[in-house]
Amino acid sequence: EIVLTQSPATLSLSPGERATLSCRASQSVSTYLAWYQQKPGQAPRLLIYGASNRATGIPARFSGSGSGTDFTLTISSLEPEDFAVYYCQQRGTLFTFGPGTKVDIK
Amino acid sequence: QVQLQESGPGLVKPSETLSLTCTVSGVSMSSSYWNWIRQPPGKGLEWIGYIYSSGSTNYNPSLESRVTISVDTSKNQFSLRLGSVTAADTAVYYCARRKYGTDFDSWGQGTLVTVSS
Repeated sequence: EIVLTQSPATLSLSPGERATLSCRASQSVSTYLAWYQQKPGQAPRLLIYGASNRATGIPARFSGSGSGTDFTLTISSLEPEDFAVYYCQQRGTLFTFGPGTKVDIK
Repeated sequence: QVQLQESGPGLVKPSETLSLTCTVSGVSMSSSYWNWIRQPPGKGLEWIGYIYSSGSTNYNPSLESRVTISVDTSKNQFSLRLGSVTAADTAVYYCARRKYGTDFDSWGQGTLVTVSS
């Protein structure tokens, strides 16, 4: 099983600041890496697929990068609605999710 | 617009079988992978398995011995059966679509299933 590790566990930032979230895979997943946003009581929403492709309707402030085992999700300038939990997920071998990074308001 | 809606009992007794159905609307079920994913309260996400529109399946090895996913394209539904449940199976269960070459782009709202006597 491919294990995904996310860091940090919690990121405390202010609106307007830049957020950088990390996801590391226990073995290479090429670019088969996605990012999701989840707010309390809601289903996850796909943000990024294929490591760097924004899903339909996702604002340009969200960007993804990386390949192999190391990946990054960047939110260029946090909006109030961006405070949420973010999960990475791989489909290199079956499907697994990371434990999540909570982005909360400083 | 794709819509998915889970339905089924919210309470299941230990050792019994959990059964859920996902109704798909707004899109044909062909050429897509239909998935079940769960999330224990306050925890992360776990992929359970998928069924392709042709009927082929793939399951999480950790659950494979207890899981069956089936599809009824005439009703635009697919279903999950998870046997021999314990309290550890208490979770919000989501159905989700994945198209070839991408990831889980459409999700149901989720349904909480509690395993308790």
